[in-house]
Amino acid sequence: GDSVTQMEGPVTLSEEAFLTINCTYTATGYPSLFWYVQYPGEGLQLLLKATKADDKGSNKGFEATYRKETTSFHLEKGSVQVSDSAVYFCALSSTSGTYKYIFGTGTRLKVLA
Amino acid sequence: EAGVAQSPRYKIIEKRQSVAFWCNPISGHATLYWYQQILGQGPKLLIQFQNNGVVDDSQLPKDRFSAERLKGVDSTLKIQPAKLEDSAVYLCASSDYSNTEAFFGQGTRLTVV
Repeated sequence: GDSVTQMEGPVTLSEEAFLTINCTYTATGYPSLFWYVQYPGEGLQLLLKATKADDKGSNKGFEATYRKETTSFHLEKGSVQVSDSAVYFCALSSTSGTYKYIFGTGTRLKVLA
Repeated sequence: EAGVAQSPRYKIIEKRQSVAFWCNPISGHATLYWYQQILGQGPKLLIQFQNNGVVDDSQLPKDRFSAERLKGVDSTLKIQPAKLEDSAVYLCASSDYSNTEAFFGQGTRLTVV
């Protein structure tokens, strides 16, 4: 079945450091790909998404490119801030069938001032 | 636009007791999801509704969990009887017919003691 694998955390960075969180997926067909963010005590918020190969999703300085050849959707940010500290989830949604969302296990990011 | 509403936010019950969670999706959203998020893990789909019909309940422990979505709007998720391993955050999400994004509520944190 469809699945998402993302790097384990926690990831601890200093403010203004470069961030990469790796995500790979297994799916039949051509899924849509997402990054969701979860701040402490809150629900999941969509950070960015991409619906087809080579699409780049971007928001709040974060970027991720849909790479079909490597089945990857790595999250990057050039300069992290303390306020970026949260748990980040990679997810996919099949574009056929039930459209259910399948999540990775999450990567906790801690940014130090 | 109002978001996905869930209640209660927190619930503590003893094992073998019953509990119910309520979700009100975004107005007009046909698809409603219930996810279980155990501490340190990614959300796992329990059940997915399209209007008031069940699309996917393959991972719902049907001997103790039940869910309904009357009139294709609000939904309730019930656990009876609860077990210690049911301690988790229960997330409700909804999406419109385009299924381009799932919007999540803040979740209900259940503790079974």
